[in-house]
Amino acid sequence: AQSVTQLGSHVSVSEGALVLLRCNYSSSVPPYLFWYVQYPNQGLQLLLKYTSAATLVKGINGFEAEFKKSETSFHLTKPSAHMSDAAEYFCAVKGGASGTYKYIFGTGTRLKVLA
Amino acid sequence: NAGVTQTPKFRVLKTGQSMTLLCAQDMNHEYMYWYRQDPGMGLRLIHYSVGEGTTAKGEVPDGYNVSRLKKQNFLLGLESAAPSQTSVYFCASSYGSGGETQYFGPGTRLLVL
Repeated sequence: AQSVTQLGSHVSVSEGALVLLRCNYSSSVPPYLFWYVQYPNQGLQLLLKYTSAATLVKGINGFEAEFKKSETSFHLTKPSAHMSDAAEYFCAVKGGASGTYKYIFGTGTRLKVLA
Repeated sequence: NAGVTQTPKFRVLKTGQSMTLLCAQDMNHEYMYWYRQDPGMGLRLIHYSVGEGTTAKGEVPDGYNVSRLKKQNFLLGLESAAPSQTSVYFCASSYGSGGETQYFGPGTRLLVL
């Protein structure tokens, strides 16, 4: 079955430091990939997505992610963390073995930004 | 344009009671989804719909029923609530079956005593 693995359920970075949140997927066919962010007591909102165009995808709030087929990865990065980036981040995959309707979500990574 | 809305925002039930969660979207989306979110488990798909009048089971459908009588509404029912159904429930919708973005509602927090 298709799956998404997010390494690290909690990540802490200092304000101004690089943010790196890891996501690996399992699929025999390149799928669609997404990163969502969830702020406390809110729903999820899209940060960025890969849909087989450019492998380096830029999203909102300065985030970007690179699709690496050989590594089956879609890691999320941001050069300089802000306090407002503290939230939970979810990687999701759609398509491939799971079909074209379902989104499969990872278990999430909670990002803490230290002053 | 309200996007995806969910009713109610919070509810407390006693074991065995029933309730219906309402999701509405005003974006003319074909696909709608119900998820539950539990700590450390991410989002798990309960049921989904690919169009008016259609529904399908997701990953964790037991104990839940759904209906999509109108394109803009997707209802999630709990016939006999159990403490294991204490969770935060999210509804989402998307336009198509490709790399479409899912839009999420604000969530319904349900506590079953």
